[in-house]
Amino acid sequence: AQKITQTQPGMFVQEKEAVTLDCTYDTSDQSYGLFWYKQPSSGEMIFLIYQGSYDEQNATEGRYSLNFQKARKSANLVISASQLGDSAMYFCAMRPLPLDDYKLSFGAGTTVTVRA
Amino acid sequence: DGGITQSPKYLFRKEGQNVTLSCEQNLNHDAMYWYRQDPGQGLRLIYYSQIVNDFQKGDIAEGYSVSREKKESFPLTVTSAQKNPTAFYLCASRTSTGNTGELFFGEGSRLTVL
Repeated sequence: AQKITQTQPGMFVQEKEAVTLDCTYDTSDQSYGLFWYKQPSSGEMIFLIYQGSYDEQNATEGRYSLNFQKARKSANLVISASQLGDSAMYFCAMRPLPLDDYKLSFGAGTTVTVRA
Repeated sequence: DGGITQSPKYLFRKEGQNVTLSCEQNLNHDAMYWYRQDPGQGLRLIYYSQIVNDFQKGDIAEGYSVSREKKESFPLTVTSAQKNPTAFYLCASRTSTGNTGELFFGEGSRLTVL
């Protein structure tokens, strides 16, 4: 069984500052993929970044970086230089590898509000 | 532009009525999914389909039904057997190529039972 835990229900961040969103996971799978999605108020889920458990380097995509600590089962998302458009809900998700459609698990999400 | 279209965006239903949510994609993706989202919770998988004419139950399939007659379309029917259908429903798709397997989502349908 897999479980994703996001302990921060809501966070405030000042514009242009960095923010770290916590995500811990529990799995017995040897190989897995970790995802972060953004959900703005419009409702659509937007894929942000991916990290494979076999990747030795932390993933980065523009202002997003994933701080992956395998031994601690942690996959925190760092958003640098926050913008007002970053205000949204953020979800951490995980699935085993090879791909298993049934086993994609989502955390409960963290709401980020960026202040001007 | 390629993407996933869900309709209607908002839907109201009386108790005891079935309702069908539409999901269409022009991304040429093989796999499609339906998720349910409740406040304060993550997404939960209702049904998924990896190829045409085939689909599997997810974690919360009771009270729902789907069909996959065309690659582009994966409609979800919320039946009167679903005891608490008021929720936000998200449709997603995924390509079968590539190794990350990220999902592409529609904008969702919000169903309210009166």
